[in-house]
Amino acid sequence: DTGVSQNPRHKITKRGQNVTFRCDPISEHNRLYWYRQTLGQGPEFLTYFQNEAQLEKSRLLSDRFSAERPKGSFSTLEIQRTEQGDSAMYLCAGGRDLQETQYFGPGTRLLVL
Amino acid sequence: AQTVTQSQPEMSVQEAETVTLSCTYDTSESDYYLFWYKQPPSRQMILVIRQEAYKQQNATENRFSVNFQKAAKSFSLKISDSQLGDAAMYFCAYLMGGATNKLIFGTGTLLAVQP
Repeated sequence: DTGVSQNPRHKITKRGQNVTFRCDPISEHNRLYWYRQTLGQGPEFLTYFQNEAQLEKSRLLSDRFSAERPKGSFSTLEIQRTEQGDSAMYLCAGGRDLQETQYFGPGTRLLVL
Repeated sequence: AQTVTQSQPEMSVQEAETVTLSCTYDTSESDYYLFWYKQPPSRQMILVIRQEAYKQQNATENRFSVNFQKAAKSFSLKISDSQLGDAAMYFCAYLMGGATNKLIFGTGTLLAVQP
């Protein structure tokens, strides 16, 4: 167990609805990453936080996506006006400065109908 | 741009036997890190082993070892004495350095372990 938790584990929603996912890393993780994994593919980088600052966003992160990390602890990823193409596993990972290993949560599997 | 290629979508091994999973990568950097992650069905991704590019010695972790060929940009994973619990999707990943340290993943190799 990496100590990184994600909720919910599964989410089914209808196209056009908004969804929000939460990631809770361990307290030592000042770095937090979001990745998206579609079926048959490896995870792809979405965005990165160092403490509460969002320092990088992938071009995969359209303007319907927003992520926050208030107070540098837990993080949320919101998708507005969901589309069927948003169906994927959303993974969160925690890490620390000067340590390259990232520790993954169990993921949130999103299905958009 | 850095890329990671896993050319074996699926592999199978008999329990107690040895299997090698292949990974190649492309980068112009000289200092980087490589990882193998394991993702069991419906369970979270866990780190199997990591390799620092500046280290010539191949990393080992119990039954898991790597063959790191820096010049050939190859990073294979050897699993010895395979166990049923080794069945999973295995991802090779390259750590893109700099301020972000984001991971670049391959497409994965699904390993089946036959009893």
